Amino acid sequence: QVQLVESGGGVVQPGRSLRLSCAASGLMFSRYAMFWVRQAPGKGLEWVAVITGDGSIEYYADSVKGRFTISRDNSKNTLYLQMNSLRADDTGVYYCARASSSSAYYSTLDYWGQGTLVTVS
Amino acid sequence: DIQMTQSPSSLSASVGDRVTITCRASQGIINYLAWFQQKPGKAPKSLIYAASTLQSGIKSRFSGSGSGTDFTLTISSLQPEDFATYYCQQYSSYPITFGQGTRVEIK
Repeated sequence: QVQLVESGGGVVQPGRSLRLSCAASGLMFSRYAMFWVRQAPGKGLEWVAVITGDGSIEYYADSVKGRFTISRDNSKNTLYLQMNSLRADDTGVYYCARASSSSAYYSTLDYWGQGTLVTVS
Repeated sequence: DIQMTQSPSSLSASVGDRVTITCRASQGIINYLAWFQQKPGKAPKSLIYAASTLQSGIKSRFSGSGSGTDFTLTISSLQPEDFATYYCQQYSSYPITFGQGTRVEIK
């Protein structure tokens, strides 16, 4: 079955960097676009970034554009989120999620990881 | 950006009740609408996509309807395991946006 496992979260000072990873198994990883979605403590869900199956197209939320970079290594079945210039309002649980297709367009999020907590303080 | 507005923000219901949650988009999204369930401390779980298609393994007491700007999630007979927060999400255009959530509590 599809399994997504995030790692790399932790406590980091404002202005510093952190890289999250999402290890995927049970799927043909390169056939699916992948998302990062975050959730601030006690708040709702916020889309962060998406990357197509072949890694050729990326989109970012305005709140992270220019600071965060999504990438993937299809040979390692792993998704990444490089987070630079972190701010207090980046604090939250970060989830990776699989798209329903290789495209970033009109793809729903069908499988989610358990999340990794990032605390900027 | 497309704004997604859910109502109500919270509701109290009893086991066996029929529950309806609505989601309104600020502009037409055809049927590019998904519903998720989230329990405390857990990841969201996909329930419905394309406004009315149940994800594999989701119980038939869940149903979705709507198109354009107005959508509905219905739980026909609320079960104890259904007490959770529900989110709608549009994937018609970027940025992808979620509703603010509807918390379903035990009466």
